[in-house]
Amino acid sequence: EVQLVESGGGLVQPGGSLRLSCAASGFTVSSNYMSWVRQAPGKGLEWVSVIYSGGSTYYADSVKGRFTISRDNSKNTLYLQMNSLRAEDTAVYYCAREWGYSYGSHFDYWGQGTLVTVSS
Amino acid sequence: SSELTQDPAVSVALGQTVRITCQGDSLRSYYASWYQQKPGQAPVLVIYGKNNRPSGIPDRFSGSSSGNTASLTITGAQAEDEADYYCNSRDSSGNHGVFGTGTKVTVL
Repeated sequence: EVQLVESGGGLVQPGGSLRLSCAASGFTVSSNYMSWVRQAPGKGLEWVSVIYSGGSTYYADSVKGRFTISRDNSKNTLYLQMNSLRAEDTAVYYCAREWGYSYGSHFDYWGQGTLVTVSS
Repeated sequence: SSELTQDPAVSVALGQTVRITCQGDSLRSYYASWYQQKPGQAPVLVIYGKNNRPSGIPDRFSGSSSGNTASLTITGAQAEDEADYYCNSRDSSGNHGVFGTGTKVTVL
């Protein structure tokens, strides 16, 4: 059974850092595209970042240069290192497995989410 | 980057049909996928590709696409279909994801 379990969220001051983890089971993280998606309170979904099976990484303009996506193959875990956090980064962060193909992509499994609150 | 625009809210009578649309330039190149989200829960994939449903998704959900518009249709809406729905696609670069603005569906 495929499962994704996020952890690492919490309260952090503006300018601070936080590392989110997403532990996967039932499949191999390194063989799949893996993404982070966030949702600010009362708002819609926002794509944040993706790491391809080959290791290439891409980021939304809103987090580029501040966030880093990575994975640990030995732990079958996805990470999101978040630096220089701002109030507008406050959101529930979801990890998701993504299937990409020439005519599109989709997210077939999602974690339950972890809340990040940036506030003084 | 691309934008995907959805109507903020639609309502449908129990058992009737509702269509949710998603507009954006990237949809001329990529199919949309659709997600259902209920309060306090993670999104759930309901439609992907040309018109594919994951296992466990009822066949009252269907998808279509024309030009720069993708559509999700619920035929015979049920009370449990009341939720927020989001479309998703790749942007014009093909490497960035983009979500629609979301549509709240109310079943009357």
